[in-house]
Amino acid sequence: DTGVSQDPRHKITKRGQNVTFRCDPISEHNRLYWYRQTLGQGPEFLTYFQNEAQLEKSRLLSDRFSAERPKGSFSTLEIQRTEQGDSAMYLCASSPPLTENDEQYFGPGTRLTVT
Amino acid sequence: DAKTTQPNSMESNEEEPVHLPCNHSTISGTDYIHWYRQLPSQGPEYVIHGLTSNVNNRMASLAIAEDRKSSTLILHRATLRDAAVYYCILRFQGAQKLVFGQGTRLTINP
Repeated sequence: DTGVSQDPRHKITKRGQNVTFRCDPISEHNRLYWYRQTLGQGPEFLTYFQNEAQLEKSRLLSDRFSAERPKGSFSTLEIQRTEQGDSAMYLCASSPPLTENDEQYFGPGTRLTVT
Repeated sequence: DAKTTQPNSMESNEEEPVHLPCNHSTISGTDYIHWYRQLPSQGPEYVIHGLTSNVNNRMASLAIAEDRKSSTLILHRATLRDAAVYYCILRFQGAQKLVFGQGTRLTINP
């Protein structure tokens, strides 16, 4: 069990560019989540997948944001036409099929800086 | 989403117990109380959760008030590695997302 991995760990981009982040969940975890965290704040929920189906999306996920999980394994989060307000840490988490603890296992995050 | 209230920061000494409070006066009957913590430069990690009864695990204990309007996370013997932001989260049964507040930043003095 290598934990949730995210790539890249850091990304610096210019305003207006598109960026894509990848998340590899823990093997056998069918549930996957994306969160965004700005400095000094707690993480905010963005979206949730069960297998390949995107079952919940936050209002924070504007039309510039899209997330996919095509084969129910890894997931990508794309931000189009980035804005300075998109600068944040993007966290991915995964969970196994429903367990008593129902805990989410978080990755280390991708830090995005939009200049 | 039901709201939780935590102190912004707390400080304790190494090898002493730490009691982290959380108020959740609007909790509903199906809300579980979850605690996560976030060490510097890492993603959050699960600590403990409970519904009505007090809970213990290898990391901590969770004491839940009889009326469930408040709870306390107890670290029995703090180490420097316990310095983190601790989040108290209400999660109703079946909900997928976690709703984080600002948490309590815990500092441990050597």
